[in-house]
Amino acid sequence: EAGVAQSPRYKIIEKRQSVAFWCNPISGHATLYWYQQILGQGPKLLIQFQNNGVVDDSQLPKDRFSAERLKGVDSTLKIQPAKLEDSAVYLCASSFMLNKNIQYFGAGTRLSVL
Amino acid sequence: GESVGLHLPTLSVQEGDNSIINCAYSNSASDYFIWYKQESGKGPQFIIDIRSNMDKRQGQRVTVLLNKTVKHLSLQIAATQPGDSAVYFCAERGGNEKLTFGTGTRLTIIP
Repeated sequence: EAGVAQSPRYKIIEKRQSVAFWCNPISGHATLYWYQQILGQGPKLLIQFQNNGVVDDSQLPKDRFSAERLKGVDSTLKIQPAKLEDSAVYLCASSFMLNKNIQYFGAGTRLSVL
Repeated sequence: GESVGLHLPTLSVQEGDNSIINCAYSNSASDYFIWYKQESGKGPQFIIDIRSNMDKRQGQRVTVLLNKTVKHLSLQIAATQPGDSAVYFCAERGGNEKLTFGTGTRLTIIP
């Protein structure tokens, strides 16, 4: 079974530029999560989807971050404009059902904002 | 759990010995706990989970212990191997159904 796929693996941008990350969850997984992991810390949930609907985006900085999962499968996370403090690894995870199953993580996208 | 920034707690263990990694969680309403292993350049990988109505759960070479009285979770790894070197995170699911990750512990296996 293929795991959670994320791209790109690495991205370097200058502050005030925009960037987008892509995630393809495990086939059949209805729930998709985006996490931000700052160096030396545990992952922090940004947004959670159930199919194509947002379940929780309370920790998403909505003035600059946006995410969508239009067809209930793939998802994109966008930052516009980026700030220095956005430098982190952005992890995507998926689970079969909402909060009832183990979350499986992708390898993440490492973002450096200069 | 609280973040300690770049200063991750560390644990060094001799190859073949047992490792015990501890975690204090914050929410007494949490009903589910998970341990994840994260190797360099990879996403967190599920190790073992436990529900709040249990005190202990065993897997292959791993055991998780839950003490709800003091809100403490531990992960025991038997006969540690070089491949066990990683950062280990505990995570709790609280009343809001969100998974909250604690401060990781870096485990280093000494050959």
